[in-house]
Amino acid sequence: EAGVVQSPRYKIIEKKQPVAFWCNPISGHNTLYWYRQNLGQGPELLIRYENEEAVDDSQLPKDRFSAERLKGVDSTLKIQPAELGDSAVYLCASSFSSNQPQHFGDGTRLSIL
Amino acid sequence: QKEVEQDPGPLSVPEGAIVSLNCTYSNSAFQYFMWYRQYSRKGPELLMYTYSSGNKEDGRFTAQVDKSSKYISLFIRDSQPSDSATYLCAMSGTNTGNQFYFGTGTSLTVIP
Repeated sequence: EAGVVQSPRYKIIEKKQPVAFWCNPISGHNTLYWYRQNLGQGPELLIRYENEEAVDDSQLPKDRFSAERLKGVDSTLKIQPAELGDSAVYLCASSFSSNQPQHFGDGTRLSIL
Repeated sequence: QKEVEQDPGPLSVPEGAIVSLNCTYSNSAFQYFMWYRQYSRKGPELLMYTYSSGNKEDGRFTAQVDKSSKYISLFIRDSQPSDSATYLCAMSGTNTGNQFYFGTGTSLTVIP
């Protein structure tokens, strides 16, 4: 089966610019997650979707971050405007349902200049 | 106190050694326990998935869960240079809002 696909793999932008990340989960997986991973740390949840509904976005900095999962398949995570502290790897994961093991994409490595 | 504690290492072992990786946790509601392997510049890859207490074996890998001690382990037998990676533990539970909690990862290097 095809894995979780993310794009772009790398993104370099100047601070205050907008940026968007895209994720295509494994076919049939209803639950989709966006994580942020800093160097030497584990993934930190930003938002979790059950189909097209965001069921946990308590850790999403809503003043600058937004996400959507139209039609309950692909998802987009946006940052506007980006700040220096947003430099990290943004990981997307999917699972058949909550509490099932998650499968990760290779992430988008974001660098803010 | 963090929900999940994991020794970050780094851990360096000779090829063929038995490796023991560990995590401790504080929330007794955790029921599902996972180990992920993460190579540099790649996403975490699921290695082992266990429910509740007990052992699970898959090839050279064995996962152990001791819920009474709130302690989980991953053993790697006959370690290979290709096992060099960061290993992340993760856990969740129905009564924890279905949220996954990750350790910080242990960096492992297997020396040929």
